[in-house]
Amino acid sequence: AQSVTQPDIHITVSEGASLELRCNYSYGATPYLFWYVQSPGQGLQLLLKYFSGDTLVQGIKGFEAEFKRSQSSFNLRKPSVHWSDAAEYFCAVGAHQAGTALIFGKGTTLSVSS
Amino acid sequence: DTAVSQTPKYLVTQMGNDKSIKCEQNLGHDTMYWYKQDSKKFLKIMFSYNNKELIINETVPNRFSPKSPDKAHLNLHINSLELGDSAVYFCASSRATSNEQFFGPGTRLTVL
Repeated sequence: AQSVTQPDIHITVSEGASLELRCNYSYGATPYLFWYVQSPGQGLQLLLKYFSGDTLVQGIKGFEAEFKRSQSSFNLRKPSVHWSDAAEYFCAVGAHQAGTALIFGKGTTLSVSS
Repeated sequence: DTAVSQTPKYLVTQMGNDKSIKCEQNLGHDTMYWYKQDSKKFLKIMFSYNNKELIINETVPNRFSPKSPDKAHLNLHINSLELGDSAVYFCASSRATSNEQFFGPGTRLTVL
């Protein structure tokens, strides 16, 4: 079955500290992987994506993610968290073909403490 | 310069009513989608359209009917609204050659 697991429901990080959000997926074909961020009351903003090539991808707002095929993981990282990073983060997997569904994880809520 | 827009942003209505949510994208994309985000923030695909043709029609009650008048618009009409329809509905779009989906701001539907 196709699925995405985000093991951490809620994470609290001190401002300036590093961050890693975990994502594991199960997908039968070559996966197209995404991280989206949803700020309170806002829509989904794409942080970064991976389909092929370099397994370490850079995104917006200083985020990066590493694809590890052997572990079926696509973890999101940021070296220094800012208070404005507090939001809901969603990992998603899908086919490369347009029109097909993205399968989302249940999200990780990130809180940033001062 | 809004890429994917939805109207209205908030919709409060009574059970049994019929309502529509509109979605427009100015990205020149050929493919559009509707997702539902439930109260636990879980996102699930409802429909997808490519060039006005239905591609995905997930297990959604037939009270929900998408309509695509042109490839820049995908509206969602809901008949006989029920309490369980309360959710945030997101529209998205992508190019015909990629599944990178760009999302709208969402419409929060509350059924009383």
